[in-house]
Amino acid sequence: GEEVAQTPKHLVRGEGQKAKLYCAPIKGHSYVFWYQQVLKNEFKFLISFQNENVFDETGMPKERFSAKCLPNSPCSLEIQATKLEDSAVYFCASSQAANYGYTFGSGTRLTVV
Amino acid sequence: GQQLNQSPQSMFIQEGEDVSMNCTSSSIFNTWLWYKQDPGEGPVLLIALYKAGELTSNGRLTAQFGITRKDSFLNISASIPSDVGIYFCAGQGVNGKLTFGQGTILTVHP
Repeated sequence: GEEVAQTPKHLVRGEGQKAKLYCAPIKGHSYVFWYQQVLKNEFKFLISFQNENVFDETGMPKERFSAKCLPNSPCSLEIQATKLEDSAVYFCASSQAANYGYTFGSGTRLTVV
Repeated sequence: GQQLNQSPQSMFIQEGEDVSMNCTSSSIFNTWLWYKQDPGEGPVLLIALYKAGELTSNGRLTAQFGITRKDSFLNISASIPSDVGIYFCAGQGVNGKLTFGQGTILTVHP
């Protein structure tokens, strides 16, 4: 399709629970990026993929965050043992090339209570 | 994380007025992008700039990639109510990672 599809739109988790977010990139786009948007609209880069390979993971909090992009499956971002500060909107984006303007999904709003 | 310096932070204008916002950075970027974000939605790409000095238009929007590759501006002419939203600049490095500005909140009064 011509849009980046993110599910679910909203997710509520108790502190310490696991959260898993999904992203289906635009067909034909080989790059996938994950960003976290917190209060005051600040975007934080998390991780990027080139097809199923990690391209850049310099933004990932490695202890509790993991991500995958497997062939013929939506990409996923998983947070083990969520904390209150993980509450944010998580955006996925895809593009045809690494340094090319990319298309964002509508985001998943994670609320940790 | 690192952010670009985007200004102004907010603007309140009358319908029909022109708008200008800009971004500066201490780092060089290969690509400058301008996005608009509506409440509850993801950022939507408005204009992409790939060459230093490039001036690009998209309808009522015009953006330029600064010669030094450290700045960019976005102009919106003859604003309309649906221009309301948050505008973000973003600099893109060779690895594709975006560094965002803080956003400009635009309010348009009919």
